[in-house]
Amino acid sequence: EPEVTQTPSHQVTQMGQEVILRCVPISNHLYFYWYRQILGQKVEFLVSFYNNEISEKSEIFDDQFSVERPDGSNFTLKIRSTKLEDSAMYFCASSTSGGRNSPLHFGNGTRLTVT
Amino acid sequence: GDSVTQMEGPVTLSEEAFLTINCTYTATGYPSLFWYVQYPGEGLQLLLKATKADDKGSNKGFEATYRKETTSFHLEKGSVQVSDSAVYFCALSDQRGYGGSQGNLIFGKGTKLSVKP
Repeated sequence: EPEVTQTPSHQVTQMGQEVILRCVPISNHLYFYWYRQILGQKVEFLVSFYNNEISEKSEIFDDQFSVERPDGSNFTLKIRSTKLEDSAMYFCASSTSGGRNSPLHFGNGTRLTVT
Repeated sequence: GDSVTQMEGPVTLSEEAFLTINCTYTATGYPSLFWYVQYPGEGLQLLLKATKADDKGSNKGFEATYRKETTSFHLEKGSVQVSDSAVYFCALSDQRGYGGSQGNLIFGKGTKLSVKP
């Protein structure tokens, strides 16, 4: 069964550094998402992406964050200047359509640790 | 705004016990409701879903019924197995967005289930 893959599985970075989290969505999916889960807290929506542009973003997704689909397969999340509070598990997801009934397929996540 | 509340964990059961994980929601529209499961070291996987009132989602022996009158979507299984040990997330998806994605999910905090042999 096709799956969403994320790399790396664990990223450690120093505060103030830039970090790029990478995702390869399922090949025939059109909608892409990033979520994050701070340890012990809810899974939170960050951003959705369709047709090479952001469809929706949450309050968390401020100017420090950006997303890109640099080629036909990768979908990246960049954090420009990391803060301690950015430490979390980041999940990429994709879906075939943007409808509310279209299930999201999630990757295994990247654990980001900011020191 | 829209929200999901699920019972606090962890929940510890013996094999073959009956499982209920409560989930209630608040939403302004007519959401679709989901249960996702996260096995240790893995990502979130869709377990089951229901898209309208009185629908019952089911998969792998798990069931949940969309109850509009009580705004609930409780997860049940009649006989749990050790392999069911995981974190279970209740989620909703409502109509939102600006002509693009409408599939954004709002999650509960998750309930950790441990099943002992």
